[in-house]
Amino acid sequence: NAGVMQNPRHLVRRRGQEARLRCSPMKGHSHVYWYRQLPEEGLKFMVYLQKENIIDESGMPKERFSAEFPKEGPSILRIQQVVRGDSAAYFCASSPLARPAGANVLTFGAGSRLTVL
Amino acid sequence: DAKTTQPPSMDCAEGRAANLPCNHSTISGNEYVYWYRQIHSQGPQYIIHGLKNNETNEMASLIITEDRKSSTLILPHATLRDTAVYYCIVRANFGNEKLTFGTGTRLTIIP
Repeated sequence: NAGVMQNPRHLVRRRGQEARLRCSPMKGHSHVYWYRQLPEEGLKFMVYLQKENIIDESGMPKERFSAEFPKEGPSILRIQQVVRGDSAAYFCASSPLARPAGANVLTFGAGSRLTVL
Repeated sequence: DAKTTQPPSMDCAEGRAANLPCNHSTISGNEYVYWYRQIHSQGPQYIIHGLKNNETNEMASLIITEDRKSSTLILPHATLRDTAVYYCIVRANFGNEKLTFGTGTRLTIIP
């Protein structure tokens, strides 16, 4: 039972290029969350998705960032025209569908580290 | 809008119990207390969660006060590999609410 898989683990981009980060949730998990961690800072929520739906994007920057979780395949976090300030670790987490009166644990991946030159 | 308060750092001797406190005085009846940790720059790791009763698993114990306004995470026999930032998070128990991380407690295990 593989955990949350993120790739690439490390990505280097030059300013102005695009970055695509992929996240495959745990088997049986239908919910995906993306977090960003800037160097020496805490984890900040970005977006929460279910299959083909964005549920909460309150933490997403207004421009250049987008996320999707298609019916088939991994969730993608896309950053267009990257700038140096986008250099960070991006973590993905997944969880199963909520039980009516229970709590649902988020399981995190190892992260993708983006460096913008 | 931090919902929890944790000391910024703590030390604990290897082999001793590490007791990490957390205040969550504004917790509501439908909110769970979760604990995660982040070792160096790895992905956050789930430790334990609870609603009202004390909980124990293979990693730790969670003690929640009767009024639920505070809790303590206990690592019974700390090892050097337990050095990490520990996050106490309150989260509603309905739906699939996101986790909101604060600044946590940086626990250092001393040899």
